[in-house]
Amino acid sequence: DGGITQSPKYLFRKEGQNVTLSCEQNLNHDAMYWYRQDPGQGLRLIYYSQIVNDFQKGDIAEGYSVSREKKESFPLTVTSAQKNPTAFYLCASSREGAQYYEQYFGPGTRLTVT
Amino acid sequence: GQQVMQIPQYQHVQEGEDFTTYCNSSTTLSNIQWYKQRPGGHPVFLIQLVKSGEVKKQKRLTFQFGEAKKNSSLHITATQTTDVGTYFCAGGGADGLTFGKGTHLIIQP
Repeated sequence: DGGITQSPKYLFRKEGQNVTLSCEQNLNHDAMYWYRQDPGQGLRLIYYSQIVNDFQKGDIAEGYSVSREKKESFPLTVTSAQKNPTAFYLCASSREGAQYYEQYFGPGTRLTVT
Repeated sequence: GQQVMQIPQYQHVQEGEDFTTYCNSSTTLSNIQWYKQRPGGHPVFLIQLVKSGEVKKQKRLTFQFGEAKKNSSLHITATQTTDVGTYFCAGGGADGLTFGKGTHLIIQP
């Protein structure tokens, strides 16, 4: 059963702590993305990676970091430098080279920082 | 950078009524994609439009891409309770998508 998994579904952290969100896909997709969604808002791009060992900043990369050591995995670290980390984080993937770059989303992780 | 605006933000309809959401981009788009997000869920891809003036239908859903490739619309005929959710348009490609803020469809039985 192919798809994207994100864990955990809910995550609680204290202010000042770094936290890493997991994203794994078995769709054999080359491209992976991280988006942030705030209540009542659209999705905003944090980082993306089109191939292993390479990634690019999106529109709101400040306070976040990523790695892409394996094709299947694209973890996101929310650092203590992120001023408003509480949000719904969505990971997505798409096929490289496909005519249409439709994105497949994971179930998301709801992060609450207090 | 590219901006994608979507209206209305909220739409209340009676079950059986029609629904339309509109999307406008500040720049010409190579393609427009539409996603649906159910309450508490994640976005799910509905369709992609690529050609100027393109119209595509999926059962009760009709998608249009403007002639100038800067606007798009989604129309749902005779809404059902299963249509509840937020509908997003998005433009972009391999370097990520720029999403509109979405239209929340609320259906009253």
